[in-house]
Amino acid sequence: DAGVTQSPTHLIKTRGQQVTLRCSPKSGHDTVSWYQQALGQGPQFIFQYYEEEERQRGNFPDRFSGHQFPNYSSELNVNALLLGDSALYLCASSHWTGNTEAFFGQGTRLTVV
Amino acid sequence: AQKVTQAQTEISVVEKEDVTLDCVYETRDTTYYLFWYKQPPSGELVFLIRRNSFDEQNEISGRYSWNFQKSTSSFNFTITASQVVDSAVYFCALSELGLYNTDKLIFGTGTRLQVFP
Repeated sequence: DAGVTQSPTHLIKTRGQQVTLRCSPKSGHDTVSWYQQALGQGPQFIFQYYEEEERQRGNFPDRFSGHQFPNYSSELNVNALLLGDSALYLCASSHWTGNTEAFFGQGTRLTVV
Repeated sequence: AQKVTQAQTEISVVEKEDVTLDCVYETRDTTYYLFWYKQPPSGELVFLIRRNSFDEQNEISGRYSWNFQKSTSSFNFTITASQVVDSAVYFCALSELGLYNTDKLIFGTGTRLQVFP
């Protein structure tokens, strides 16, 4: 049983560009949450998707947007990249009922130069 | 506002020593969940434990144990007889119970544990 998978593993982008990160949830999970983890910090909640809709959002600007597909996979899009967007982006999946803990992927390391 | 504080930035121990990682939380909610996650160098967050606010019973799982005390808003984690493989960053996290599921986690800044042979 595959766990949460994220792609790509590493990414280098230039300031002002746009980026798309992808996440496939663990089998049986229907909810995907995205987190940003800056170096030396704890992860910060970006948003959460369930039934293809954004259900909760953290304190992130509109440059951060997402999407969930009918197969529960999800994308995180970041527009107009800033140097400060450089971080590890983690995807977590779970079941909407909350009866299971969140399982995390290995993350995508984004570097903005 | 919700907040998780892990005052210990880094801890170094020698193998077989016991080590306790501290976690203090703040919340105005009466119902909430507390978590511990382990992050090895690979980056993936590995779930260790979830505890709800109604269950203050301490828990032991192998070499791991957790001490939850609502009176002091603390949820400390002890590793007994530490091993080199325990070296990682450990995060304490909090989430509220409400209309939505519990995955909006508020993380502390983490404690880096280094276990030397």
